[in-house]
Parts: sequence; C-alpha cells; structure tokens
Amino acid sequence: SAVISQKPSRDICQRGTSLTIQCQVDSQVTMMFWYRQQPGQSLTLIATANQGSEATYESGFVIDKFPISRPNLTFSTLTVSNMSPEDSSIYLCSVEDSQGYTDTQYFGPGTRLTVL
Amino acid sequence: QQPVQSPQAVILREGEDAVINCSSSKALYSVHWYRQKHGEAPVFLMILLKGGEQKGHDKISASFNEKKQQSSLYLTASQLSYSGTYFCGTGAAGNKLTFGGGTRVLVKP
Repeated sequence: SAVISQKPSRDICQRGTSLTIQCQVDSQVTMMFWYRQQPGQSLTLIATANQGSEATYESGFVIDKFPISRPNLTFSTLTVSNMSPEDSSIYLCSVEDSQGYTDTQYFGPGTRLTVL
Repeated sequence: QQPVQSPQAVILREGEDAVINCSSSKALYSVHWYRQKHGEAPVFLMILLKGGEQKGHDKISASFNEKKQQSSLYLTASQLSYSGTYFCGTGAAGNKLTFGGGTRVLVKP
C-alpha cells in the first residue's frame, strides 16, 4: 500500500489565523481525500481531491473555509482558514489504492490541530 | 447517511470473542473495516464486496449480508493488540466512504 506523510503532525494556532496541511504520497494516486476527526468521534469527509480538477466538497464544508490544492498525483494541501476553536480536530488525508479488483483507502498519520 | 455500529463499546478478556455490527439504511456496494489505536491513523483491515466471500485477517473475520445491508466483524480469541476503535466504512456509488460512529474495544489480560 502507499506510504503517506503529513506535515505538520500537530500545531497550536490562534483564532483567526490559517494553517496549511500538506499530504505527500510515495506513489502516484488518482484520488485523495481529506477527513476531519473531532475528539472521540468518527471520520467525516471534507472533500475529494482529484488532480487537475476542482475539489468536490461534502455538505457542510465550503471552499472558502477549506481550500484544497492538488498540483500533481503525489501531493495535496488542505488549508483551514480563519480558524476558531471549533476547528480543533485531527485532519487526515487518505488515498485510494487498488486491492486486487477493487479500491480502498489508506490514511496518513494525521495532523492534530488545536485552536486557542 | 452514516452507518450504525453496535455495540458502541466492548470490554473483553484475552482469548474471548466479540462481534461488531455495522448496519446501513442504504443499499451497499462494499464495506471497509478499519482499526484505529489512540493517537494513530486508522489502519485498513479488510474489504467486503457485494456478492463477495467472507474475509479474514489473522483471527479477525467479517461477513456481509447484502439483503440486510449489514456487515459483522468477528474478533476471535482476542489478543491485547486488538484493542482500539473499529470503524466500518460503507461504499455506495462512486468512491466515497461513509464511516460509522465506531466501536471501542478494550482487551484486558
């Protein structure tokens, strides 16, 4: 399976600022996903990022708040803009990888964000 | 719509068995099972496809009942390393997964 890294691994930010999270994969992948996991909760999909096209956002998430870039097949960034304490979460990127005749997702290590 | 997992939590002694259920109100194409340990990323365990066979991973196996739109994960002869939160992710049209609320498993010596 693909090896995924994320930067930063954790950060503490002030209200009103923005943070950009990077996701790097060791192989070319078509589909990348960004998730949010609030403390003790499940995984919520923010958006799907395909190279060469605009990201597709899930209900409740908007581009102005979570702009995403996908410049090539091995890299993506998620920016959390104008942060508030409610944005404190773990942000995970995942990639779709083939398991024989079907695809599943593998997750990066996550970025733990605390907003004060 | 988020699939429903049950139970929400289970405590086991080493060597005991447990079953985790994942139910959906929508027709399913696939069910993906993950385990997440505290402070770590979710780790893929197995995938079950509509019309596919029951899968196994070590002493962890799973089944998929298409008619009931339900999958079950079986932890057999549990080990301390099985502790963590188990998530099912259900796949429908397209490649998106929708994850259940998770089941916390604690295996004690």
